[in-house]
Parts: sequence; C-alpha cells; structure tokens
Amino acid sequence: EVQLVESGGGLVQPGGSLRLSCAASGFTFSNYAMSWVRQAPGKGLEWVSAITTSGGSTYYADSVKGRFTIARDNSKNTLYLQMNSLRVEDTAVYYCAKVRHGSWYLFDCWGQGTLVTVSS
Amino acid sequence: DIQMTQSPSSVSASVGDRVTITCRASQGTSNWLAWYQQKPGKAPKLLIYAASSLQSGVPSRFSGSGSGTDFTLTISSLQPEDFGTYYCQQANSFPLTFGGGTKVEIK
Repeated sequence: EVQLVESGGGLVQPGGSLRLSCAASGFTFSNYAMSWVRQAPGKGLEWVSAITTSGGSTYYADSVKGRFTIARDNSKNTLYLQMNSLRVEDTAVYYCAKVRHGSWYLFDCWGQGTLVTVSS
Repeated sequence: DIQMTQSPSSVSASVGDRVTITCRASQGTSNWLAWYQQKPGKAPKLLIYAASSLQSGVPSRFSGSGSGTDFTLTISSLQPEDFGTYYCQQANSFPLTFGGGTKVEIK
C-alpha cells in the first residue's frame, strides 16, 4: 500500500525555522517526482514546491521562494521541506504528494498532513 | 501564472441529481488537468487526471471533460458520500495552480 507520512509540524514564532519530513513507503520512491502542497485554515489548496526524481530540479511558488528548500533522500525514501524565515501567513496544513506515473505533476497519493502554526 | 477559476463556489443537490462543476484556465493547459475531492479534515483524493481519465478505484459516476481552457467535472448521480469540496489543478506549467474549490452539499 502506498503511504506518505508527514512529520515535523508545530508552533513556531515568526522568523523561525522548521523542517518537515515525509516518509514514503509502498512504492519505489526514487522513481517519482514529489511535491508539497499547503492549505491554510478554512482556505483552498496552494502548491508550495516540487522536486524531480533525482532531486536535480526543484520548483517553488513565489510566496516561498528564497525561504523554503525542498530536498529528498532516495536512500531513506524521505522528502523534506526546510522552512526558514517563517511568516504568519505560512500557517497551514502541509501535505506531501506523489506525482502520478505518466502524469505531469498531477498527484495520486497524499499524506495526512502536518500542521504548521506561525504565531508569537 | 495560470489562474484557475471554478464555478459555482458551492452547490446543494439531492441524491440522484446530476452535478456539474466547471473550471476555466486563464491560458491553455494542454489537458494536464486534475480534479480532486476533499472531505473535512482529510487529504485530497485524485478523481480525474489528464482532464478525462478516471483514477483507479473512483466510481464511474464521476467523469471529466474539456480541453484547452475549459473543463468540467460531472457527477452523474449524486450519492450521499459525495459531499465535500472539489478542486481542479493544472500542471501545464509552474507554478502549479488550483481552483478555489466547489463545496458540494447534499440536500
């Protein structure tokens, strides 16, 4: 069974940092591009970042560019999101998502999400 | 950036009704368009990919159509378990973008 499990969320002050992790199982992680998508409380879905299979290419939303870094460790089947200079508006549930085979950055599996709260 | 505009923002329908949700892209998406269903407190679930292909395990009452800039998700006969919010997403180019969502309620 394909499974994605996020961790690392929590309460952080504005300007602080957090690192999210997403542990993947049930599929060959290194064969799939991955992404992070977030959802602010009561709001819609917002794409955050994506990474290719090898990690050689990364993509970011303008709202996080220069502050967030996506990475992956294919030996550990784990996706990461390093979040620096956090702002109140970064408060959201963060989902990791697996790209569907043969579908350009459409997502067929999502984790349960981890809540990041940025507040003083 | 490609803007995705969904309509309506909410719909209330009875069991057995046909429900149609539309998604308009500000520029062509080459059919890299997906539809997701999200229930409260849960992660989104992929229903339709590549505009009209049904994801494995999704009931056949869900269908997608359209191309270029105009897309439609249809639920042919609404069931009680179909409540939730539906989102479209384009993957033609970065940044990936989602529509604002359509909340489906059962009367």
